[in-house]
Order: sequence, then C-alpha cells, then structure tokens
Amino acid sequence: GQNIDQPTEMTATEGAIVQINCTYQTSGFNGLFWYQQHAGEAPTFLSYNVLDGLEEKGRFSSFLSRSKGYSYLLLKELQMKDSASYLCALMDSNYQLIWGAGTKLIIKP
Amino acid sequence: IAGITQAPTSQILAAGRRMTLRCTQDMRHNAMYWYRQDLGLGLRLIHYSNTAGTTGKGEVPDGYSVSRANTDDFPLTLASAVPSQTSVYFCASSRTGGQGGELFFGEGSRLTVL
Repeated sequence: GQNIDQPTEMTATEGAIVQINCTYQTSGFNGLFWYQQHAGEAPTFLSYNVLDGLEEKGRFSSFLSRSKGYSYLLLKELQMKDSASYLCALMDSNYQLIWGAGTKLIIKP
Repeated sequence: IAGITQAPTSQILAAGRRMTLRCTQDMRHNAMYWYRQDLGLGLRLIHYSNTAGTTGKGEVPDGYSVSRANTDDFPLTLASAVPSQTSVYFCASSRTGGQGGELFFGEGSRLTVL
C-alpha cells in the first residue's frame, strides 16, 4: 500500500533554520510535492522533486532520496510569516496524489 | 486576477438537503479536482476531471457528484447532505490531467451539516 508520514507539529525560532521531514512508502513513484498552507487559506505550491538531491529556491530547499523513501523541506532565516502548515504529497505510479496530514510550523520570536 | 473562485465560502446546511458548491477557473486549465480537508487527515480527492466532458472518482466519492460541461466550471453536488460531510472543500486545477503538475487551489468552502 501507500503511506506518507510527517510530524504533526514543530516549533522554531525566528531567524533560525528548520527541517520538516516526510517519509513515504509506495510501489510506484512519480515525484514529491511540498505545499504551504496558512491557516484558513488555500494550499500553495512550494516545490517538486522527482530526482534525488536538493532543489533550492530562495530561503526554501527540498531534498529527496527515493531509495530511502524520504524527503525534507528546509526553511532558512525563518520569518513569522512562515508560520503555516506544510503539506507533503506523493505522486504515485498512476499520477494520483497521496497527501500527508501536514506539519504545523509555529515560529516564535 | 486569474485563479480559481469558489462559492459559497461558508455554509451551514441541514442534513438531507441538497447542496452545490461552485468552482470556476479562468486559467484555461484542462484538469480540475475537488478535495475535502479534515483535521488530522491529508487532503482527500473526491472527484476529478482531466478535461471538459470527462469526470472520474477519487478516493472518497460516495455522496458526491460532479459535472464538467465546459473548461471553466466544475460544480460539486451533495445530493442529500449528512453530518460526516462537514468539512472544508477545496477546488483545484492543473494545466494537465493526472495531477502531473502544480495544483492551483481555490480559497475553500467551509460546509457544516447539522
């Protein structure tokens, strides 16, 4: 079957770095997405990884290891506006998205 | 501003009533989706449409129906609402079908069934 796990909640300090992990099990893989969702708002696209390695986009980076079934989202120079939920989503062999429950990130001053 | 518009943004509904959630996009995307989001669970796909005139069932389709008469509109209908359908509903679109690309989401419709 397919399964995707990420921590429920994390806390970090403004200006610091935080890593949000996502682990998955799947029989087929066509990529992994990260979305950001502020409370009461729609999810918005952050990144897409289909090959192993690190993709950097400004303060945000996303890493993928297909052999380990593992991804992480790295947020640098944290700002208060980064307080949000971060959703990991796996695209399976049928190009269907399987979503994690999301990680709520709380930023403290 | 281009994007996806959902209506209503919030609704309280008596059980047994029929309800249609509207979704319109102006990005000329081929594919559209309806998700529900419940606390502690990931987004779950209800129905999808890869192109105008076609629809498909997602993970949790029971109690819901959709239509895709044209590219822009993708309404979701609850024929006879039940309390377990209390949720936040998101409409989304992507340029191509099969959820192969970035999804663009509407702002959501919060539905409470009493």
